[in-house]
Amino acid sequence: GQNIDQPTEMTATEGAIVQINCTYQTSGFNGLFWYQQHAGEAPTFLSYNVLDGLEEKGRFSSFLSRSKGYSYLLLKELQMKDSASYLCAVRDSNYQLIWGAGTKLIIKP
Amino acid sequence: IAGITQAPTSQILAAGRRMTLRCTQDMRHNAMYWYRQDLGLGLRLIHYSNTAGTTGKGEVPDGYSVSRANTDDFPLTLASAVPSQTSVYFCASSDGVTDTQYFGPGTRLTVL
Repeated sequence: GQNIDQPTEMTATEGAIVQINCTYQTSGFNGLFWYQQHAGEAPTFLSYNVLDGLEEKGRFSSFLSRSKGYSYLLLKELQMKDSASYLCAVRDSNYQLIWGAGTKLIIKP
Repeated sequence: IAGITQAPTSQILAAGRRMTLRCTQDMRHNAMYWYRQDLGLGLRLIHYSNTAGTTGKGEVPDGYSVSRANTDDFPLTLASAVPSQTSVYFCASSDGVTDTQYFGPGTRLTVL
């Protein structure tokens, strides 16, 4: 079967750096997405990786290793507003998105 | 309208009733999707439509139907609601470049 694994919850301190990992086993691979979802709101797009390596967007970076079935989302200079769930999703060989359950990130002052 | 809208925002429904959740987008995206999101689970695809006039079944289609008469609208119908359909429902659409999906604000549905 297809599977996306992420930690259920993480805690970090304001101003620090946090890395949220995602491992996947899917039938084929056509890209990996990270979304942010604040409580009670819709998911919003953060990043897209289809080739190995690091993609940087301001305070957020996303890394992909296709051979290892692994990605991470790196958040720098954490702010209180970064408290949210972070969803990893992989597009499979049928071009359908397979979603992880999400990682709830708690930021403490 | 900017982006995707969904209606209603929330609804409490008696079991056995019929309910249609509405979704409209103004981005002229060809593909649209309906997901449900339950606590502790990832988003699960109910139905999708790659273009107007076509629809397909996702991971959890039973008890739900969709139609896609035009590009903008993609309603989801529960023919006879059951308590297990209590969930938050998100509609999404995707562009044709990276297929990034953009989500509506969601409908919180409670079936009693």
